[in-house]
Amino acid sequence: DQQVKQNSPSLSVQEGRISILNCDYTNSMFDYFLWYKKYPAEGPTFLISISSIKDKNEDGRFTVFLNKSAKHLSLHIVPSQPGDSAVYFCAAFAGGTSYGKLTFGQGTILTVHP
Amino acid sequence: DGGITQSPKYLFRKEGQNVTLSCEQNLNHDAMYWYRQDPGQGLRLIYYSQIVNDFQKGDIAEGYSVSREKKESFPLTVTSAQKNPTAFYLCASSIGRDNTEAFFGQGTRLTVV
Repeated sequence: DQQVKQNSPSLSVQEGRISILNCDYTNSMFDYFLWYKKYPAEGPTFLISISSIKDKNEDGRFTVFLNKSAKHLSLHIVPSQPGDSAVYFCAAFAGGTSYGKLTFGQGTILTVHP
Repeated sequence: DGGITQSPKYLFRKEGQNVTLSCEQNLNHDAMYWYRQDPGQGLRLIYYSQIVNDFQKGDIAEGYSVSREKKESFPLTVTSAQKNPTAFYLCASSIGRDNTEAFFGQGTRLTVV
């Protein structure tokens, strides 16, 4: 049972344009969400997060939007740069559980063309 | 520099052999995790540990074993019972149950031939 889903395996964007990566979840107990960026043969690195009490969090070129009623979140990258090309993972955490384990989506490969 | 170290980066083993992947952190984090990455499946949790001498099964623990004798170390053994051991393995750590930002190691690519 995939509780966190990233339905787009890949996304291709022109440099300077907006990249929008989407993530859906099914577990209503999730109350904290994170985005990680991963290059091939490396570990993921934390990008940005959002608590369920907010609907938007911004950090430079990166903004995460959360729609709790739709159980949907998205990551916006503006403007996109070739160095943003990587795999992006959405992850979720249920704060009420005993252990802080993250549940990850399948990932979306972002390619930004010069 | 503080960080989380996995070794080796690449590992080859013959089918039927047990193999242990190393994970060490000097971040003074209480919690440590092992994930497996397969194409199209994202990161799946194998085992996690919130405190020394305690660990819990994740979503795909069958064929794996772990130990947490020291706070800094969380080795993962891939046993011969694991049917599809070839994968990219990632170790992570976080401050504890209330800190969700996990820091990842560089990963170990295990290939069983």
